[in-house]
Amino acid sequence: AQSVTQLDSQVPVFEEAPVELRCNYSSSVSVYLFWYVQYPNQGLQLLLKYLSGSTLVESINGFEAEFNKSQTSFHLRKPSVHISDTAEYFCAVSYGGGNMLTFGGGTRLMVKP
Amino acid sequence: GAVVSQHPSWVICKSGTSVKIECRSLDFQATTMFWYRQFPKQSLMLMATSNEGSKATYEQGVEKDKFLINHASLTLSTLTVTSAHPEDSSFYICSARDRTSSWSRTQYFGPGTRLLVL
Repeated sequence: AQSVTQLDSQVPVFEEAPVELRCNYSSSVSVYLFWYVQYPNQGLQLLLKYLSGSTLVESINGFEAEFNKSQTSFHLRKPSVHISDTAEYFCAVSYGGGNMLTFGGGTRLMVKP
Repeated sequence: GAVVSQHPSWVICKSGTSVKIECRSLDFQATTMFWYRQFPKQSLMLMATSNEGSKATYEQGVEKDKFLINHASLTLSTLTVTSAHPEDSSFYICSARDRTSSWSRTQYFGPGTRLLVL
């Protein structure tokens, strides 16, 4: 079965430090890749996505993710985090152009002052 | 753009009653909508996929008679939890895919509905 793995359930980090949230997927078939962010008691907001083209994609608030086909990874990074980045982050994959998104288990980013 | 709303945001009901949750795409047409359930500190679990004008496709283990889904128009899908019981208490989230960019498989999510069954 196709799966998405987010290795870290929680990532504590100090404000202004860099962070990487890891995401690996299980298959090398064609994929569309997404990162969503969820703030407490809210739905998910699309952060960024990779569909094709450049393997490095960026969001408007300083996050970036790189699609690595050989390592089947799509890690999310930010060079300097803010307190307001504290949230749950979900990696999601659409396999082979299928209808569904398969979600990872989520990573709770906790930014400390 | 690509805003999805859900109503209500919170609902508390007695055991045995039915609860309807609405999911609307506000600024786009959605041929496909999805309903998820999320337990505390867990990821999203897909319950069903609904296509406008046709019956919903339920995931394994989801009771279709318990969770009735109607996708009557390109901007509205409803989830009705029938004869709700305390174990149905959860956070229900819908998402929608823009008809004009369905090739991208991008889903836009609503803010969620928290259901508490007493």
